[in-house]
Amino acid sequence: AQSVTQPDIHITVSEGASLELRCNYSYGATPYLFWYVQSPGQGLQLLLKYFSGDTLVQGIKGFEAEFKRSQSSFNLRKPSVHWSDAAEYFCAVGAPGTGTASKLTFGTGTRLQVML
Amino acid sequence: SQTIHQWPATLVQPVGSPLSLECTVEGTSNPNLYWYRQAAGRGLQLLFYSVGIGQISSEVPQNLSASRPQDRQFILSSKKLLLSDSGFYLCAWSVSVWGAHTQYFGPGTRLTVL
Repeated sequence: AQSVTQPDIHITVSEGASLELRCNYSYGATPYLFWYVQSPGQGLQLLLKYFSGDTLVQGIKGFEAEFKRSQSSFNLRKPSVHWSDAAEYFCAVGAPGTGTASKLTFGTGTRLQVML
Repeated sequence: SQTIHQWPATLVQPVGSPLSLECTVEGTSNPNLYWYRQAAGRGLQLLFYSVGIGQISSEVPQNLSASRPQDRQFILSSKKLLLSDSGFYLCAWSVSVWGAHTQYFGPGTRLTVL
């Protein structure tokens, strides 16, 4: 079974600083990988996803993530954080070839605080 | 474009009372549907998923149940709520694109059991 680890529970950065949120997964082959963002009291919004191909994936709101097979990682990055990026970020992994229902396994999330 | 609705947005229920949460999807056909629960300070736990009308798979044994009476309608129910059922309930949908699924989430329902 697949698993996801987000080692940082809480991160604080200054507005305008760069950001990297870590995500490590466990899966026997190349998984499907996702990053979602959740504002307080809201649902999850998809930031970006990786299925195959180019290992550097661009997403919405200026975010990108890089799939590194050798490190089993899919870290999320943003070169300059805005105060509106303060939220909780979830990494998720799905297993290709699981049939018609593609279940996701989520990490426990990283809460991002942005200092003005 | 596709949209997903959940209601109610918030709900406060006494222990032992029944529950019915509804999720509907617009703008797509034959989606996979999912129910998740998010407890305070924790990640998402998949409760149920459905690949078609009347087809429900349960991920976690509990006093909750799910039903899919129509293609784009997914209902989460309980006959008797427990305190531990409190949480944020999220519905999601996905469709296959070249065999790969991406899940899209609804706005959620905040359930407080007192």
